Amino acid sequence: EPEVTQTPSHQVTQMGQEVILRCVPISNHLYFYWYRQILGQKVEFLVSFYNNEISEKSEIFDDQFSVERPDGSNFTLKIRSTKLEDSAMYFCASRGWTSGETQYFGPGTRLLVL
Amino acid sequence: QQQVKQSPQSLIVQKGGISIINCAYENTAFDYFPWYQQFPGKGPALLIAIRPDVSEKKEGRFTISFNKSAKQFSLHIMDSQPGDSATYFCAASKETSGSRLTFGEGTQLTVNP
Repeated sequence: EPEVTQTPSHQVTQMGQEVILRCVPISNHLYFYWYRQILGQKVEFLVSFYNNEISEKSEIFDDQFSVERPDGSNFTLKIRSTKLEDSAMYFCASRGWTSGETQYFGPGTRLLVL
Repeated sequence: QQQVKQSPQSLIVQKGGISIINCAYENTAFDYFPWYQQFPGKGPALLIAIRPDVSEKKEGRFTISFNKSAKQFSLHIMDSQPGDSATYFCAASKETSGSRLTFGEGTQLTVNP
């Protein structure tokens, strides 16, 4: 069964450093999302991406964040200058026409900012 | 207006019992209500979903009950099993927003053998 994959599974970085989180959505899916989950809290929407542009972003997704689909398979989230409060699990999700509203989530990348 | 409130925060049920998790939403524009199941270290996985044009949807042991007038929906797990022990999130979205999911706070379910 097709699935969303994410790399790396864990990343430790120093405050102020740039990180890039990578996702490979399900092939032929058209909508892509990033969510984050701070330990013990609910999953929060960051950004949605469709047709090579951001379709919606939350208040969390400030100028430090950016997304890109550099090729036909990868979808990346970049945090330019990480802060301690960026420590969280980051989930990528994708959705296609045939799946209706269903968003399929990847296993996540656990980011720890020291 | 975008919030989804979920209760209880945690739930302990005996094997074979019924687990009930409740959610309430504020935004009447929401038109899709999924439940996600999350195991430790994994991403959320869709369990079952409902649209507001029906009041109930059943898939195996899992049932969603939906009350549009009260803006509430709930997940019922019949014959709960230890393997059902996980965190459950309700969510809501609206088509016009590109389907961003607004999640509830989550319920940690423990099913004792």
